[in-house]
Amino acid sequence: QKEVEQNSGPLSVPEGAIASLNCTYSDRGSQSFFWYRQYSGKSPELIMSIYSNGDKEDGRFTAQLNKASQYVSLLIRDSQPSDSATYLCAVGYNQGGKLIFGQGTELSVKP
Amino acid sequence: DGGITQSPKYLFRKEGQNVTLSCEQNLNHDAMYWYRQDPGQGLRLIYYSQIVNDFQKGDIAEGYSVSREKKESFPLTVTSAQKNPTAFYLCASSIKGDHEQYFGPGTRLTVT
Repeated sequence: QKEVEQNSGPLSVPEGAIASLNCTYSDRGSQSFFWYRQYSGKSPELIMSIYSNGDKEDGRFTAQLNKASQYVSLLIRDSQPSDSATYLCAVGYNQGGKLIFGQGTELSVKP
Repeated sequence: DGGITQSPKYLFRKEGQNVTLSCEQNLNHDAMYWYRQDPGQGLRLIYYSQIVNDFQKGDIAEGYSVSREKKESFPLTVTSAQKNPTAFYLCASSIKGDHEQYFGPGTRLTVT
């Protein structure tokens, strides 16, 4: 059974701080990794994708991947109240473009 | 504007009735997916389709059916056999073979 695990939170950080969201996965054959942001009552929005070990930066977001440890993380620098949402980690498998999602981590950024 | 549309946004049905949820995309994506999300939970895959006239069961296909007669459309029917149909239903699409999936706005189904 392929699994993706996230801390459910809620994770609370003050405005301007760095928020760190973590995700582990069970299948060493995984090739692609994604972070989605989901505001309450809305659908998920793709914010980051990462395919190789190391860091990938996009604005205030940095995704980090360590395949040896089967670990992927998302850092949000200079957190804003508008970043308050649930962040879903998703892992891609070779079979038919399928994704396995974690249960999501709720982030709350306090002004 | 390219995107994925789902209708309706909210849907209410009585127990025992079948209901069909619409999903249309104009992104020219080959692959389409249906997920279910329950409160406080991640997404669970119901059905997916990589090509017209072909689809596969996901992890929780029981009580659901789909069709893929056109590339742009992937409707989901929630049948009366689905034990707990009340949920948030999300449709997604991607380029065939690519794991980057893009989601529609979702349909919130309530069955009483």
